[in-house]
Amino acid sequence: DADVTQTPRNRITKTGKRIMLECSQTKGHDRMYWYRQDPGLGLQLIYYSFDVKDINKGEISDGYSVSRQAQAKFSLSLESAIPNQTALYFCATRGPGDVNEQFFGPGTRLTVL
Amino acid sequence: GQNIDQPTEMTATEGAIVQINCTYQTSGFNGLFWYQQHAGEAPTFLSYNVLDGLEEKGRFSSFLSRSKGYSYLLLKELQMKDSASYLCAIMDSNYQLIWGAGTKLIIKP
Repeated sequence: DADVTQTPRNRITKTGKRIMLECSQTKGHDRMYWYRQDPGLGLQLIYYSFDVKDINKGEISDGYSVSRQAQAKFSLSLESAIPNQTALYFCATRGPGDVNEQFFGPGTRLTVL
Repeated sequence: GQNIDQPTEMTATEGAIVQINCTYQTSGFNGLFWYQQHAGEAPTFLSYNVLDGLEEKGRFSSFLSRSKGYSYLLLKELQMKDSASYLCAIMDSNYQLIWGAGTKLIIKP
């Protein structure tokens, strides 16, 4: 079984709709991240969390919100989706210590029409 | 500002050696990571350098020069499965990762 899972894997929606992307992990890590990836650009950090109820904005948080309901779950919401939010979204986790690598989920491909 | 540069695309031949360069300017430095990402898949960890020098791991090696703001990933004995994007990322002073855009490596028979 995968350590970091994301649902859904693919989603097509319309402008103005509310969308939630879910991430779950069985690695027991405290730190969780949401990134988006666009062609030709590096991964961009949307939000991150170091523990339950700890939420921090990343470089591109506008238009997004998150919820850390439990250590193992971190969800990303688009309150009113717009076409330029079409992208590949990744959830990642990181273990304790400052320099551990991040482990990524399989990604969610979101298309906003 | 923060900046990470990598070539957009490289082509190499199966069985050969290829070097993918990464140059950076960031606010603080707590290490450099290399990740591999196959098309449409998640990035997977390859290597981590925090001190100057070469780290070898099988067919892959990673080099760092902090004074020059430079790293490279060396792939030997290239296989077709090595066709992927290679992402360079810097851990900044806040222990957050800053990502380069990635280098798409194409392996030809």
